[in-house]
Amino acid sequence: DVKVTQSSRYLVKRTGEKVFLECVQDMDHENMFWYRQDPGLGLRLIYFSYDVKMKEKGDIPEGYSVSREKKERFSLILESASTNQTSMYLCASRPPGDRTEAFFGQGTRLTVV
Amino acid sequence: AQKVTQAQTEISVVEKEDVTLDCVYETRDTTYYLFWYKQPPSGELVFLIRRNSFDEQNEISGRYSWNFQKSTSSFNFTITASQVVDSAVYFCALSGGNQGGKLIFGQGTELSVKP
Repeated sequence: DVKVTQSSRYLVKRTGEKVFLECVQDMDHENMFWYRQDPGLGLRLIYFSYDVKMKEKGDIPEGYSVSREKKERFSLILESASTNQTSMYLCASRPPGDRTEAFFGQGTRLTVV
Repeated sequence: AQKVTQAQTEISVVEKEDVTLDCVYETRDTTYYLFWYKQPPSGELVFLIRRNSFDEQNEISGRYSWNFQKSTSSFNFTITASQVVDSAVYFCALSGGNQGGKLIFGQGTELSVKP
């Protein structure tokens, strides 16, 4: 059974903290994604990676960075967490090609206080 | 630029009613793919269907059916005889045209099916 696993289901952090969200996939997929989900805004792409050490900005990269040192792991980093980054974060992986389906993790609900 | 619009934010129906979720997309590409995903309360998005731009045949899978119309840039999803277990957020998504494998999602429609 294919799997994308996010390290935390719920997370509460303080303003200004550096936050790491981890995502691991076991399908050997080249592409990995981080989305943010907010009510009324759907899923918005933060960053994606199409290979180890490769990354591209999505639609809302400000305040975030990513790391992909190994193929199976894609980390999202909030350099200095702010309250407006309180949200649901979803990780996904996908084989190459536009016709392929993406597989999603269960999401991390991050609250910044 | 690519864009997906799901104008219905929330829909509430009573069990056994039919319901249609709308999806309108924008793209300049001639080859593209459209997807529907379901997000139950557990949070994990589940793939439902994929359609490519060259295949306008409607598809039926049990109580689910999809109507793809290129002329109106729409890819609507109908649930027949809805059930409480259909309650979820449904997302339409678009992929294609040298976007590096990105999936562009709509805003999502929250469907509530009441007993």
